[in-house]
Amino acid sequence: AQSVTQLGSHVSVSEGALVLLRCNYSSSVPPYLFWYVQYPNQGLQLLLKYTSAATLVKGINGFEAEFKKSETSFHLTKPSAHMSDAAEYFCAVSSWTSDKLIFGTGTRLQVFP
Amino acid sequence: NAGVTQTPKFQVLKTGQSMTLQCAQDMNHNSMYWYRQDPGMGLRLIYYSASEGTTDKGEVPNGYNVSRLNKREFSLRLESAAPSQTSVYFCASSEGPSGGTDTQYFGPGTRLTVL
Repeated sequence: AQSVTQLGSHVSVSEGALVLLRCNYSSSVPPYLFWYVQYPNQGLQLLLKYTSAATLVKGINGFEAEFKKSETSFHLTKPSAHMSDAAEYFCAVSSWTSDKLIFGTGTRLQVFP
Repeated sequence: NAGVTQTPKFQVLKTGQSMTLQCAQDMNHNSMYWYRQDPGMGLRLIYYSASEGTTDKGEVPNGYNVSRLNKREFSLRLESAAPSQTSVYFCASSEGPSGGTDTQYFGPGTRLTVL
C-alpha cells in the first residue's frame, strides 16, 4: 500500500522568503512522486515529478524537490516566494505497478507582501 | 486544444435527485479518472478507466456509477444524491494505460451542492 503525508495544512511566508512544503511517503515498491498545484477555482496542474532518474527534480515556476529515500521524503522548495505562488499544493505517490495516484491532503500556501 | 472539459461548472440538487457529470478530453488519452475534493481530505479517487471499455472502483465508489462512453468521454452519475456527496468533482486524464509515471491533466471541476 502507498500513502502520502503532508505536514502543515497551511504555510505562510513573506514575499521573497524561502518556500518549504513538506511531503513524506510510504511505499512498499519504488515510488513515483509528484507535486501538483491548484490555483483558486481551478483544476490541478503538474509542478514536477520524480520517476527514479535524478533525485533533484526541477519543475515549473522555479520550484524543485529532492527525493530522499533514507528519509522517505520529497519536500518542495522555492528560494524566493512570489505573490503568484499563493495556491494549494498537493503531493502524490504512484508506482510502476499502479496507474493510480494517491494524493496527500494538501498544503495551502499564503504569500504576504 | 481544450484539454479536459467538464460540465456543468456548478449544480445544486435536492436529496434523492439524480444527475450526470460529463467529462471529455481531446488529447487522445487512454486513461480517465473521477476524483472528489473535500476540505482537509485532498483528492480521493472515485472511479477510473484505464482504457476504453474498462472501468474500476477507486477509494470512494459508493453512491456513484460511471460510463466510459468512448475514448474521449467519461461520465459520472449520482443515482440518488445525498448531502454527503456535496463536493467539488474533478475529472482527469492521462496517456495510460500503464500510467504510474504519467502526468494527469485535470479539468476545471464541478462544484456540487446537495441540499
